[in-house]
Amino acid sequence: DADVTQTPRNRITKTGKRIMLECSQTKGHDRMYWYRQDPGLGLRLIYYSFDVKDINKGEISDGYSVSRQAQAKFSLSLESAIPNQTALYFCATSETSGSRDTQYFGPGTRLTVL
Amino acid sequence: QQQVKQSPQSLIVQKGGIPIINCAYENTAFDYFPWYQQFPGKGPALLIAIRPDVSEKKEGRFTISFNKSAKQFSLHIMDSQPGDSATYFCAARGSTLGRLYFGRGTQLTVWP
Repeated sequence: DADVTQTPRNRITKTGKRIMLECSQTKGHDRMYWYRQDPGLGLRLIYYSFDVKDINKGEISDGYSVSRQAQAKFSLSLESAIPNQTALYFCATSETSGSRDTQYFGPGTRLTVL
Repeated sequence: QQQVKQSPQSLIVQKGGIPIINCAYENTAFDYFPWYQQFPGKGPALLIAIRPDVSEKKEGRFTISFNKSAKQFSLHIMDSQPGDSATYFCAARGSTLGRLYFGRGTQLTVWP
């Protein structure tokens, strides 16, 4: 089974709808992240959480919110989706920062907002 | 403001060639520089990483060259193969918060 799972894998929705993307991990990592990938723009950080009680905004948090329900679960919400939020979304996890700091990515959710 | 600048955006080489992808940064507090490889339909995965106290790291056919004074680092792929066709991202870790800053990615195509 995959260590980092994302649901749904694909979603098509309409402008103004509320959308939740979910991420679960079995790696036991404290740190979790949500990224957005757009062609030519790379991976941009939306939100990150270093433990259940610690949530931080990334560089493009406007229009998004998150919830860290447990160590293993980190959800991303779009309160009122708009077309320019059409993108590929990735969840990632990592261990507490040390000499080696590998981020493990989920398979991604492709979101289309019409 | 882009913390890590990556070039080129795309790269096409023949099998056996040595593609080179370059990255530059400004923040001297960065303390860890990984490269991630992403195949179509998959999430990125760590390929190789280097710390700023060494100038080169090699793992198989993949080599990172690091120039601390120039604040630049690059990925070299020796004897490239069609299976290396993927998108490559460089990144840098901010030592204060431990988050990664990614470059915009390079789409590599290796022709047979």
